[in-house]
Amino acid sequence: ETGVTQSPTHLIKTRGQQVTLRCSSQSGHNTVSWYQQALGQGPQFIFQYYREEENGRGNFPPRFSGLQFPNYSSELNVNALELDDSALYLCASSPGGAGNSPLHFGNGTRLTVT
Amino acid sequence: GENVEQHPSTLSVQEGDSAVIKCTYSDSASNYFPWYKQELGKGPQLIIDIRSNVGEKKDQRIAVTLNKTAKHFSLHITETQPEDSAVYFCASSGHSGNTGKLIFGQGTTLQVKP
Repeated sequence: ETGVTQSPTHLIKTRGQQVTLRCSSQSGHNTVSWYQQALGQGPQFIFQYYREEENGRGNFPPRFSGLQFPNYSSELNVNALELDDSALYLCASSPGGAGNSPLHFGNGTRLTVT
Repeated sequence: GENVEQHPSTLSVQEGDSAVIKCTYSDSASNYFPWYKQELGKGPQLIIDIRSNVGEKKDQRIAVTLNKTAKHFSLHITETQPEDSAVYFCASSGHSGNTGKLIFGQGTTLQVKP
């Protein structure tokens, strides 16, 4: 069974640029959630995708957007990068669309904005 | 807003001793409480979870207790081993009840000394 995989593992961008992060969900999992983890903090919920639709959003501005594809993989896009966007971005998947099953996390993408 | 408070922020124990980490949540409608272990350079790994219709759950050396009245839940690790050293996060599903939209605590760094 393949777990959640994320790419790239590390990324350096300049303030104002745009970035796309990718996630392949665990086999059989149809729901994907994205989290931002600042250094020394707990993860913060960004949004969740189910059946290619956004299914809930945390307290993040519209420049954070996402997609889910028919194979359940997902992308996180961030426009107009700010220094505070530097963080570990975690993708997690679960098998239940109604949000009844535990989340399984990938190892994240470390984004540095300079 | 909804939040989860976690204590202590750091915990150092001798190998073989027990470790206890405590969390408090704010939303009484919360019904799902997972615990995650995060090792350096990796994503959070689910170690145990509990739902609000249960007061205690055990899995080998790990146990979680839930007090809904007081809105407290705790992680207990017995017979600690050096490989238990990591950052531990508690989380709550909040009023959404969606297991993918978690509110995390700030984390506890556990150090087990050989």
